Amino acid sequence: AQSVAQPEDQVNVAEGNPLTVKCTYSVSGNPYLFWYVQYPNRGLQFLLKYITGDNLVKGSYGFEAEFNKSQTSFHLKKPSALVSDSALYFCAVREGPGGTYKYIFGTGTRLKVLA
Amino acid sequence: GAGVSQSPRYKVAKRGQDVALRCDPISGHVSLFWYQQALGQGPEFLTYFQNEAQLDKSGLPSDRFFAERPEGSVSTLKIQRTQQEDSAVYLCASSHSGLTYEQYFGPGTRLTVT
Repeated sequence: AQSVAQPEDQVNVAEGNPLTVKCTYSVSGNPYLFWYVQYPNRGLQFLLKYITGDNLVKGSYGFEAEFNKSQTSFHLKKPSALVSDSALYFCAVREGPGGTYKYIFGTGTRLKVLA
Repeated sequence: GAGVSQSPRYKVAKRGQDVALRCDPISGHVSLFWYQQALGQGPEFLTYFQNEAQLDKSGLPSDRFFAERPEGSVSTLKIQRTQQEDSAVYLCASSHSGLTYEQYFGPGTRLTVT
């Protein structure tokens, strides 16, 4: 069965420092992986995805993520955090070609960037 | 352009009432998903449509939940005889085509069952 784990409920980082939000997954076959961000009173917004190809994917607002097949991880990173990055971040996975249509989301990690 | 819209944004229902939640996806988006998000949790998959065909309804929690998309655009999620455990935010998402594309989410409908 598919699953996603976001081991940290909250991550605190100082503005200007690099940030990492962790995600590990379990899925049959090749995964499709996604990161979404949720701001208060707003819907989830797509940040980036890994489908195939380069393990390092770049997305919106300067975020990037690295797909690591051996560690079954897809950690979200940003070289220099902004206060405006403070939000709730969700990792999601679905099975690749031939798999089910079901997307599985993690429980979310709240990112707090301190000025 | 217009994003995914959902109505109503808030719904309070007495236990036992039926409710209908509407989703207007982005025009031309083939795929439509419904999710349930409980407080402090991530979205949980309910069902998936490709055009008007409901291809996966494995996430619907009980036979009180029913979803339709009769013309392949607007979708309605209906919950019959609501229970307190149905209280949650119901999210709708659409995507362009295929299933490698990212999903665009609506703002959600917050359902409170009293």
